Amino acid sequence: DAKTTQPPSMDCAEGRAANLPCNHSTISGNEYVYWYRQIHSQGPQYIIHGLKNNETNEMASLIITEDRKSSTLILPHATLRDTAVYYCIVSNNTNAGKSTFGDGTTLTVKP
Amino acid sequence: GAGVSQSPRYKVAKRGQDVALRCDPISGHVSLFWYQQALGQGPEFLTYFQNEAQLDKSGLPSDRFFAERPEGSVSTLKIQRTQQEDSAVYLCASSLGTYRSGNTIYFGEGSWLTVV
Repeated sequence: DAKTTQPPSMDCAEGRAANLPCNHSTISGNEYVYWYRQIHSQGPQYIIHGLKNNETNEMASLIITEDRKSSTLILPHATLRDTAVYYCIVSNNTNAGKSTFGDGTTLTVKP
Repeated sequence: GAGVSQSPRYKVAKRGQDVALRCDPISGHVSLFWYQQALGQGPEFLTYFQNEAQLDKSGLPSDRFFAERPEGSVSTLKIQRTQQEDSAVYLCASSLGTYRSGNTIYFGEGSWLTVV
């Protein structure tokens, strides 16, 4: 599975959009991009995933570049409860079971 | 409950003691995964079951770690002769589909193991 690179930390003001970047320059054609988040003392929570088209659900939007070498997770209106560690992973099957999580991005939403 | 359930939530073990961590996956989920998460780091894959078959145990750090899922539902991760470096959160996750057909993975809250 391809590895990903994420900034270690980011801040965001409450109510503003949070844009979390992820680089996955060695991604293969059949690998999906997955995003999970982990709130302190809880297990990781699935957010969204995609292959090459942009995706949106009730939690977030996922923008994948045309060359698929990077992506951005967008939380459109961040709240204090969105403070968490966000993990971007890639996997050559449609779940993240064996993928490398890395250390993720710690997003802090500030009032 | 509707989610993945793990027990115990917290465990303090003396060095050299054996521990057993239990995972109740979501009912009907075929795939089950165990992860180890050290403080400040992301989860690391330990092992994978498809029903009762352990198809991948490449992440188990040593032969002191053993996992089973004898009836294809509840799973137990056993650590023998615990050492301080085993202190971590042990996460269990399950998904509806097989590893290759895929589905969203649902994680439990984890079992926090501290070896003293």
